[in-house]
Amino acid sequence: TQLLEQSPQFLSIQEGENLTVYCNSSSVFSSLQWYRQEPGEGPVLLVTVVTGGEVKKLKRLTFQFGDARKDSSLHITAAQPGDTGLYLCAGVSGDNDMRFGAGTRLTVKP
Amino acid sequence: EAGVAQSPRYKIIEKRQSVAFWCNPISGHATLYWYQQILGQGPKLLIQFQNNGVVDDSQLPKDRFSAERLKGVDSTLKIQPAKLEDSAVYLCASSSTRQGTAFKKTYEQYFGPGTRLTVT
Repeated sequence: TQLLEQSPQFLSIQEGENLTVYCNSSSVFSSLQWYRQEPGEGPVLLVTVVTGGEVKKLKRLTFQFGDARKDSSLHITAAQPGDTGLYLCAGVSGDNDMRFGAGTRLTVKP
Repeated sequence: EAGVAQSPRYKIIEKRQSVAFWCNPISGHATLYWYQQILGQGPKLLIQFQNNGVVDDSQLPKDRFSAERLKGVDSTLKIQPAKLEDSAVYLCASSSTRQGTAFKKTYEQYFGPGTRLTVT
């Protein structure tokens, strides 16, 4: 069973700041997904990355998959209070075997 | 397109009692998942169905948890008897395969709002 470690566990920043959160593993994944979860709701898929070195952008969010497909990062530019939430990464291996990290809880203060 | 529906949204029971959760996946999604999310942790897969067959139940505590997906659509998850450590949010998700880049399939899961269970 692969272990996904996310860091930092908690992050509190002011509106307008930039931030990066990380998802690391010793295992190789066929793809990796990032989700955001708000209180009282289920996780919502943000992006899927499948190719080593791949970079995807979603407005102010930039996702990168490591060259070796073992790690990923999420960078947010000019964070806004609406970005507040729990950011989860999930690694997919084999045929649809997906495991989640514990998440990074982000708070963006106005 | 309607999302994944779950009920109830909240449930409070005493230890040793039984409880059941219901999930209706997105129409046409063959794969259904039940996750347990304890406060401060990421979701942990309990069981995965492909149509009405079990694909993975390796992390399901089978002495007290059971799940079924009759007719390959709706699903129920039951806990009997409940323990204090079962207090968590129980999430249901569904997915269908999508052809990604380089001929790789990706499995994008769509989650319901969850059922928050408190065992006292």
